[in-house]
Amino acid sequence: EPEVTQTPSHQVTQMGQEVILRCVPISNHLYFYWYRQILGQKVEFLVSFYNNEISEKSEIFDDQFSVERPDGSNFTLKIRSTKLEDSAMYFCASSERGTDTEAFFGQGTRLTVV
Amino acid sequence: SQELEQSPQSLIVQEGKNLTINCTSSKTLYGLYWYKQKYGEGLIFLMMLQKGGEEKSHEKITAKLDEKKQQSSLHITASQPSHAGIYLCGAERRDDKIIFGKGTRLHILP
Repeated sequence: EPEVTQTPSHQVTQMGQEVILRCVPISNHLYFYWYRQILGQKVEFLVSFYNNEISEKSEIFDDQFSVERPDGSNFTLKIRSTKLEDSAMYFCASSERGTDTEAFFGQGTRLTVV
Repeated sequence: SQELEQSPQSLIVQEGKNLTINCTSSKTLYGLYWYKQKYGEGLIFLMMLQKGGEEKSHEKITAKLDEKKQQSSLHITASQPSHAGIYLCGAERRDDKIIFGKGTRLHILP
C-alpha cells in the first residue's frame, strides 16, 4: 500500500543550526503539507504546497521555515536557524486532490534542538 | 477561526466495552476527518465524512456526522487493546488544510 515516508525518524541538532526534514509523498498526490506537534500539544498546521508553490501557511511558518520540492519525489522542510522551541514531531502529509480527498500522514520526524 | 472541541480529553475503558468520542465544531464543517495516533508516532487515517447524516464504519469503529455538519462522533464497539491511542478529529477547510482538535487519549484496561 502506498505510504508517505519521512526521514530521518529522529534528528538532534544544536540551536542555531539548519535542519532539513525530508518527505516522500505518495506518488500520484499533488497536495503536500507539513504539520508539527509539540510534545503534549495538538497537531498544528504549518504549510500546504501545490503546483510548486505555497498555497497556505500558518503564523508558525515564519521566515525561518521554507519548503521545497527539489525533484519529482521529495518534499522538504528546512528550518534555517533552529530554536529550542522548534523541538517537536514534524509530520508530512499528502493528498491526491486537496481537501476533497483523504490526507495521508507520514510517521513523523522527531526534532530535538539542544 | 475554526475551533474543534473533542470530548472527553481522555478515556479509560475496560476491554470489551463500547465507547464514544465526540468532536464539535464552532462552524459548519465542509468535511470531518478522524485519525488515530499511537503515542509518539504518525497519524493513521481512519475515515472522512462529508455529507450531513453520513455514517461510515471500518471494522469495529463507526463515525457519524450530524445533519447540521457541526458534530461528529466516533464509536468503538467491543474495545480491544489495539484501539488504545489518541484519536484526533480534523476539520476540512476550503483553503487546503486540516485543523485538528486536541485529541482524545484512549486507554484500554485488560
